[in-house]
Parts: sequence; structure tokens; C-alpha cells
Amino acid sequence: GQSLEQPSEVTAVEGAIVQINCTYQTSGFYGLSWYQQHDGGAPTFLSYNALDGLEETGRFSSFLSRSDSYGYLLLQELQMKDSASYFCAVSLTGYSTLTFGKGTMLLVSP
Amino acid sequence: SAVISQKPSRDICQRGTSLTIQCQVDSQVTMMFWYRQQPGQSLTLIATANQGSEATYESGFVIDKFPISRPNLTFSTLTVSNMSPEDSSIYLCSVRQGLNTEAFFGQGTRLTVV
Repeated sequence: GQSLEQPSEVTAVEGAIVQINCTYQTSGFYGLSWYQQHDGGAPTFLSYNALDGLEETGRFSSFLSRSDSYGYLLLQELQMKDSASYFCAVSLTGYSTLTFGKGTMLLVSP
Repeated sequence: SAVISQKPSRDICQRGTSLTIQCQVDSQVTMMFWYRQQPGQSLTLIATANQGSEATYESGFVIDKFPISRPNLTFSTLTVSNMSPEDSSIYLCSVRQGLNTEAFFGQGTRLTVV
């Protein structure tokens, strides 16, 4: 089967930097994605890594190490609106469905 | 990008009845999927909706319980049949437009079975 492990909850203060880790064990691997979901809202795409290394998109960055089956999402200059659940997701092939982790709830306090 | 309209947004249904959820996309998409999400939990894939052929179901989900239609490249329906309280959940439509692309999600249907 497929499994993705990520912390259930992370807390931080405004302006800080937080890292959400994701380790995966899957039968195949094409890429690792990150999605944000606010309470009651739809998941929205944040970042994607197919190759090792760091991808930067504004305040958000994502890292992948294929050899370690590991990735992380880095959120900088945290804002209150960043309080949400963050999911890592693996694509087994380029056209395949996404398998999601259990999600990390990020709580940002003033 | 893709804009997804999912209806209804929420419903309260009696056990034993069925509910059909609609998913309309503003552009033609290659891949359409249906997920289930318990509040505060992860997303579980129910099936891939295939245009012109039967849907591909994940382990634990069967066509008799969750029949899916996809008559064209912009529209799909998911029916939750013979509902029980265990079917209470959020159901999400999702699309991907091609190889190695991001997924877009509808706002979800919050279903409560009483």
C-alpha cells in the first residue's frame, strides 16, 4: 500500500518560519505536491516537486529528496491567514491520481 | 486553471435514499476524480471518472454504492446510493488537465445522513 506521514499539528507565531515534513512509502513515485485547505474550503495547490531540490514560490518553498523518500514545505513570514491544513500528496505516475497524507494543521498565533 | 462548480453544496438526507452530486468544469479536462473527506481528515479517492467508459474504483468502493457518470469532458456525477449515517462526509470533485499538472477541487458537498 501507499503511506505518507506528516505531523498532525504544528503551531507557530506570526512572522516566523515553519517547516512541515512529509515522508512517503509508495509503490511508485512521480512527484510530490502540497495543498492548502482552509476550514470548510477546497484544497488548493501550493507547490510541486518532481526532481530533488528546492522549489520556491513567494513565501512558500518545497523540497524533495527522492533518495530519502522525503520532502518538506517551508512557510516563511507566517501570517494569520496561513492557519490551515496542509497536505502532501504523491503522484505515482504523471497521469495518475494523487494519494494524500493525513494532513498537518498549522495554527498561527499573534 | 479550472473552475469547478459542484452542487449541492450541502444536504441532509434520510437513510435509505440516494443523492446525486454534480460537478461542472469550465473547460475540458482529461482527468476527473471523486474524493471523500471526513471533517478534519485526509482525502480518500473514491474513483476516477472516465469519459465514455465505466469509472475506475478504488479498493473499498463499488459501483453499486457509488455510481458515477461522465458523459463528456466537462461534467460528471457521483451518486451515493442507499445512504446510511456512515456515508455522512464531504464529497469533493477534482480535475487535472494533463500530464504532471496540479489538481483543482470543487468546494465540496457536505452530506449528512440521518
